[in-house]
Amino acid sequence: SQQGEEDPQALSIQEGENATMNCSYKTSINNLQWYRQNSGRGLVHLILIRSNEREKHSGRLRVTLDTSKKSSSLLITASRAADTASYFCATPPYSGAGSYQLTFGKGTKLSVIP
Amino acid sequence: ETGVTQSPTHLIKTRGQQVTLRCSSQSGHNTVSWYQQALGQGPQFIFQYYREEENGRGNFPPRFSGLQFPNYSSELNVNALELDDSALYLCASSSNTYEQYFGPGTRLTVT
Repeated sequence: SQQGEEDPQALSIQEGENATMNCSYKTSINNLQWYRQNSGRGLVHLILIRSNEREKHSGRLRVTLDTSKKSSSLLITASRAADTASYFCATPPYSGAGSYQLTFGKGTKLSVIP
Repeated sequence: ETGVTQSPTHLIKTRGQQVTLRCSSQSGHNTVSWYQQALGQGPQFIFQYYREEENGRGNFPPRFSGLQFPNYSSELNVNALELDDSALYLCASSSNTYEQYFGPGTRLTVT
């Protein structure tokens, strides 16, 4: 079953614009992660935000987390054609064995038009 | 430092056959996880190995089995293949951290 649900399912923007993707999840979390996947290949870890953090930055990426609403957002500023990919949010179990296994959403497919 | 590698890249099998997929984890990583990703979906967790022991399993039948070797490389075995097993199979490694490092995947087609 899916823990996270990304919104929108697909997003098309012009190069230079900002892209915002949202993720909602169902249960308590220890942390939430965002991954990128280019064209059906392996996933690349982008950023991890812990449950006690509200905002985190990494280069052109900004992630926010609202645990009261069980939601997170990923903002990519000044988008480039190379940002074209699918973006997934993922969460591990809150605690216990297998804490490193991830539950992914269905992803947001981002297209950046040059 | 080498990344996660997987073999083969692509594979075509017939329904009812058995398949073995291989993964070499990133240097220094002692945990390997396997995921199945159907077309247009997010990855689904199959199972995870830590120091050669299964350390968590998702909602997959017993015909999905795995191994982890002393060098932390891993195999995913699927018996009695079904058409719905057609997917991208992803291996990910980690070392006592929540971030996982994925290989490029093996595309399995079952006809």
